[in-house]
Order: sequence, then structure tokens, then C-alpha cells
Amino acid sequence: QSVLTQPPSASGTPGQRVTISCSGSSSNIGSNNVYWYQQLPGTAPKLVIYTNNQRPSGVPDRFSGSKSGTSASLAISGLRSEDEADYYCAAWDDSLSGGVFGGGTKLTVL
Amino acid sequence: EVQLVESGGGLVKPGGSLRLSCVASGFTFTSYSMNWVRQAPGKGLEWVSSISSSSSYIFYADSVRGRFTISRDNAKNSLFLQMNSLRVEDTAVYYCARVTSTVETPVEVDIWGQGTMVTVSS
Repeated sequence: QSVLTQPPSASGTPGQRVTISCSGSSSNIGSNNVYWYQQLPGTAPKLVIYTNNQRPSGVPDRFSGSKSGTSASLAISGLRSEDEADYYCAAWDDSLSGGVFGGGTKLTVL
Repeated sequence: EVQLVESGGGLVKPGGSLRLSCVASGFTFTSYSMNWVRQAPGKGLEWVSSISSSSSYIFYADSVRGRFTISRDNAKNSLFLQMNSLRVEDTAVYYCARVTSTVETPVEVDIWGQGTMVTVSS
């Protein structure tokens, strides 16, 4: 059972907008920044959102992040086939004094 | 080119030990905290441990505290993970990763290694 809760799966058709949620608590999302990672099959993860809503250089502006209270979300607009991947949210947890990840959401582009 | 290369993975029996290494290149290693993150086969990511640039801050996941030890040798641009009392549930790909968030909350990672597989089985 992961400390951060994500839906196990999400899907959309090309061009659609999809949102992936991440639910935590006051000791993690509620008091620290949220990060989002994309993991394509057989590869290492890649940072796509940092500090709740910032995009690293090279990440398309189709990717956006938001945070409210103890929850966060990743939105992908104009869905493309190459977006099909596993997505993980992450945050620092003050109570655990450690990093925590969500269980991951497998995004399927239909 | 910025690069992290892990080594040291392999097959070990329960209760055994293994030492993972990660060599960094292409950036100033002494300026960054570093993490170990693992991923069991078919499972999600799990943060394992973090160490600050001067080794002043060290953190461990509850699942490995007391069994694993993170360390670094800045003169050799190297990060290590000494794993003792290994369990079947430690079986995973172990990633070395460069941290870009604060030293107190080392969760943001911008560079990952290719990973090294650790299998704990009798």
C-alpha cells in the first residue's frame, strides 16, 4: 500500500485531455512539493513536473500539474501515442523523514 | 554527457550482502545530493535512501533502515549502497539518481542511471 494514492489506470483517445490524481496527507503533499515522473516501458523514469506545476526544459506544454491541499494532479492535453506510459507522483513525507511515491498510473492511449 | 552508471547487482541468497556502486560523470558530483530508488519486478517505484553532497544528511526508508548503508566518495565521483541481511522482498532494479531539490527534502530527481538488478533468492 503506497503512502500516496493514484488510480491504477487511466485512458484516453488521441487529442483528448486526461487527468491523473494523487492523494496524500498533511505530512507529505500538504506540506511539501509534488513531483511527477513518466516511465516508458523498459526505461528509467523521467521527471515531467517539478515543484507542483513546473515543467522541466524539453517537456511539452501539454503536460501540467496542480496541487490543492493534500491532493495533486497531472493533466495531459492533446494526448499522443507516445504519452502511453506509467506515471508516478512523489513527495517528501515529514513524518517518515523519507520520500514517498504513488503506486503509479498506467496511461493507455486508445 | 551527464551520466550515472550503476554496477554491483546480482543474485544473492537471503541473509546475504551486496554492495552497489554508481559512478557519475559529466557534472560536478560534489554539488548534488544523491538517491537510490528501487523498483521490484512489475511494481512501482520505491525511494530507498538519500545522501547530501557532504554526507551530512542521510535518510533511509523504513523498509531498509538498519540493513542498508548509503555512502559516497566525492574524490571518485562515486555513490554506494551497502546492503546487508537481504530479503526476498529486496529483489528489484536499483537506480542511482541525481537530486535537484533541497537537501532536507531530496525527492526531485533529474538524472537517473540505467539501473542494476538485485535478485534475492535461495
